[in-house]
Parts: sequence; C-alpha cells; structure tokens
Amino acid sequence: GESVGLHLPTLSVQEGDNSIINCAYSNSASDYFIWYKQESGKGPQFIIDIRSNMDKRQGQRVTVLLNKTVKHLSLQIAATQPGDSAVYFCAEKRTGANNLFFGTGTRLTVIP
Amino acid sequence: KAGVTQTPRYLIKTRGQQVTLSCSPISGHRSVSWYQQTPGQGLQFLFEYFSETQRNKGNFPGRFSGRQFSNSRSEMNVSTLELGDSALYLCASTLLTGSYEQYFGPGTRLTVT
Repeated sequence: GESVGLHLPTLSVQEGDNSIINCAYSNSASDYFIWYKQESGKGPQFIIDIRSNMDKRQGQRVTVLLNKTVKHLSLQIAATQPGDSAVYFCAEKRTGANNLFFGTGTRLTVIP
Repeated sequence: KAGVTQTPRYLIKTRGQQVTLSCSPISGHRSVSWYQQTPGQGLQFLFEYFSETQRNKGNFPGRFSGRQFSNSRSEMNVSTLELGDSALYLCASTLLTGSYEQYFGPGTRLTVT
C-alpha cells in the first residue's frame, strides 16, 4: 500500500556534526512536503517545507532535498545542537486531500 | 498570539467509557484537524472541521466523532473506549481549510485501562 516512511527509526550524532534524516514516500500525487520536529511533551513543530516543483530548499541551519525520481526526501541539519534532539517527521500533502500524511518518525539524539 | 490549546492534557479512562477532548485553535484560525499519535502507527489523521462542518475524515471507526463550534473551538469524542485507543491526540489549526501550515497543540494523552 501507499505509505510515507523513514529509513531509520533512530539517529545519534555528535554535537557540531551535520545530521541527515531520510524519508521515503510512495505516492507520486504528493505536491507538498513538510518536516516537523516533535520534542518530548509537545506537539509537532513546523521546520521547513518544500513543494513538489522544487528539489531543494534552505532554511536556518536546515536544508530539505526532494528527489521525485526515487520518491525520497531528506532533512539536513547543519552543526547539530543538543536542542535539536527530538523526533522528526516528514509529512506529505497529496493532491486532492486536505490532510497531511505523516511518516512514523526518526528520533535524533545529539551527543554532547 | 496564543497557540493551540488542548484540554485536558492527561486523561485515564476504562474500557467501555467515553471521552471528550477539547481544542481551542489559534485566534483567527477557522480550521481544526485532529490526529491520533501512537508509537506503532505514528500520526494518523482523524478529521478536519471548518466553519462547523466536517470537511475531511480519516479511516477511523464511527466511535470517533467531533464537532466544531461557532468560535472555531472543537471537540472530539470517543465512545466505547478500547485499549487500543490509548494514544496522544493532537489538534492542529490552520487559517483556512486546505491550508498547508498546520499549528499543533501539545496534545491530550489518553490512557485506557
């Protein structure tokens, strides 16, 4: 069936290193993708988004890459900090649907 | 501007009972969506309300229902609770229906025993 999923459920990185979180999707009718960060005890927080007609978008310390050929999305965090420790979700907006479809999440742990 | 608020934050119920959760969206936002979050299934869409009307519904049984009031506040209800309903229930608000930027509340942690 169609799904939005993640390659790795957990990721540990050293403080100061770059982090890459990956996400695979299978619905080619998706026109918009979002990365969310969820800290313990909080709801998901918007990080960055990208439309399907783009392949790269940069924010503050974060970059999202979209490869529509292989239906792959990644979130790159530069100079990872302890405050980046959280669960990261990719979500997709499918054409014709108003709701978001979320992946299961990757837990990022930053080692000081 | 205040964020999305959800009450209660924690709730413990027993099987067979019913529960009502409340969500107040960001001031001026008119669309409210509800999601269920569990470790095994992740975030799953329940339904969306806009202008007091359900606009979109996920794949959940009829035991899950909701409504929206004229001030955009929303409630969701789960009847005949099952153990598998234990989850974090998240509410997200957007300015208009179909808007991509959803702002989430902290959630209500429901435990069914």
